[in-house]
Amino acid sequence: EAGVTQFPSHSVIEKGQTVTLRCDPISGHDNLYWYRRVMGKEIKFLLHFVKESKQDESGMPNNRFLAERTGGTYSTLKVQPAELEDSGVYFCASSQDWGRVTDTQYFGPGTRLTVL
Amino acid sequence: AQTVTQSQPEMSVQEAETVTLSCTYDTSESDYYLFWYKQPPSRQMILVIRQEAYKQQNATENRFSVNFQKAAKSFSLKISDSQLGDAAMYFCAYSIGSGGSNYKLTFGKGTLLTVNP
Repeated sequence: EAGVTQFPSHSVIEKGQTVTLRCDPISGHDNLYWYRRVMGKEIKFLLHFVKESKQDESGMPNNRFLAERTGGTYSTLKVQPAELEDSGVYFCASSQDWGRVTDTQYFGPGTRLTVL
Repeated sequence: AQTVTQSQPEMSVQEAETVTLSCTYDTSESDYYLFWYKQPPSRQMILVIRQEAYKQQNATENRFSVNFQKAAKSFSLKISDSQLGDAAMYFCAYSIGSGGSNYKLTFGKGTLLTVNP
């Protein structure tokens, strides 16, 4: 069974440019989470999808960030325009069932974003 | 707001020895879960062990066990018979246990564990 995959693994962009990160969850997983780790700080929650619906986007930093989950499958996280403070590692995680905290969140390898 | 604190940025242990990683948390919830995740170098983060707050018995998974002190809000991870493959960044994490479907994780900053041969 394929795990959670993320693309690209690294992205280096200039301030003001746009970047789109993609996450493919494990097939059949309804829950999809995005997290971010800024250098030297904690991994922080960004948002949560259940299928194609946003359940909680309270962690999104500002309106420069837009997340979508087309058809309840893969998800994209777009940053437009990117700022220096957006640099960090963006993780995606998926879990199977809705409403069960005991369902393990499986993490992707992360996308390292560097904004110059 | 819930917070998770890992006071040890780095730890090292000799192969075959035992090491304990510390974690404290703060929450006003009564129903919650605690986790230890492991991220080996250049690899994905994986769940090591999970503890339900309502359970008094400490969770164990092979060489990994926790010391859960609910009153003290402490959740340490003990790794016995350390192996080279245990070298990784270890993250302590928290989630609410009920009341919704969003079991987002709150993480500590992590502890980098080095295993010396």
